[in-house]
Amino acid sequence: DTEVTQTPKHLVMGMTNKKSLKCEQHMGHRAMYWYKQKAKKPPELMFVYSYEKLSINESVPSRFSPECPNSSLLNLHLHALQPEDSALYLCASSQERTGLSGYTFGSGTRLTVV
Amino acid sequence: AQKITQTQPGMFVQEKEAVTLDCTYDTSDPSYGLFWYKQPSSGEMIFLIYQGSYDQQNATEGRYSLNFQKARKSANLVISASQLGDSAMYFCAMRDPLTRKLIFGQGTTLQVKP
Repeated sequence: DTEVTQTPKHLVMGMTNKKSLKCEQHMGHRAMYWYKQKAKKPPELMFVYSYEKLSINESVPSRFSPECPNSSLLNLHLHALQPEDSALYLCASSQERTGLSGYTFGSGTRLTVV
Repeated sequence: AQKITQTQPGMFVQEKEAVTLDCTYDTSDPSYGLFWYKQPSSGEMIFLIYQGSYDQQNATEGRYSLNFQKARKSANLVISASQLGDSAMYFCAMRDPLTRKLIFGQGTTLQVKP
C-alpha cells in the first residue's frame, strides 16, 4: 500500500460546527504532516508529527487541533472556523529519514466554511 | 533560511514538444533534497522526481528529468514529449534536513496545447 487516504474529499461546514479531517497511511512512515493550500498558492505547513508526537506547530490558530492516535492515523479537528479557513487541506507522510521516496501526499479535503 | 524560487507563473507548450520549468534554490546547508511535484486540478500532489545534493548524476524518471546545476543552485524540470495530461501546476520543493519541512516554490502552471 503506497497511498495516503484522506476523508472526506469535500466538506462544507458552518462557523459554529465541529468537524474532523482524517488521514491514513500504511507505508510504515513515522512522520506525518498537515498542509493548508489556498487556490493557486503553494501548500503551507501547519503541523508535523514525528513518531506520533507533535514536533512542529507553525503557529496555527487553536481552532485547528491535530491528533495522532497511532502511527497510521492523523486527524485534524476543526472548531469555530472562519470563512478564510476555506482551503484544500493536504495530509502527507514520509520516512523519518527521507530518502528517494520523499513525501507521499493524499488527494486532500476541500473545505468550505460558510 | 532555505528558499525556493519559481519565476514562471505560467507556461504553454505544444503537445509532443519538450518544456523546461525553472527552479532556483537557496540554502547554506550542504545536505539537502530537491523535489518536483505535479498538482492537477483534482488537488492531489503527485511526486515526480527527486535530486539529492550529493547525487553525482541528474535524476531521471521516465519523461521527467532534472537539470541539476549545483553551482548555480538551480534544479530545472524537463518534461519531454509533452502530453495533454501534463497540464497541471508544478511545484519545486526543498527538504529541510533538520526539521523535515518541505518548502515549496510558488509553482508554475503548465498548459499543453493540442
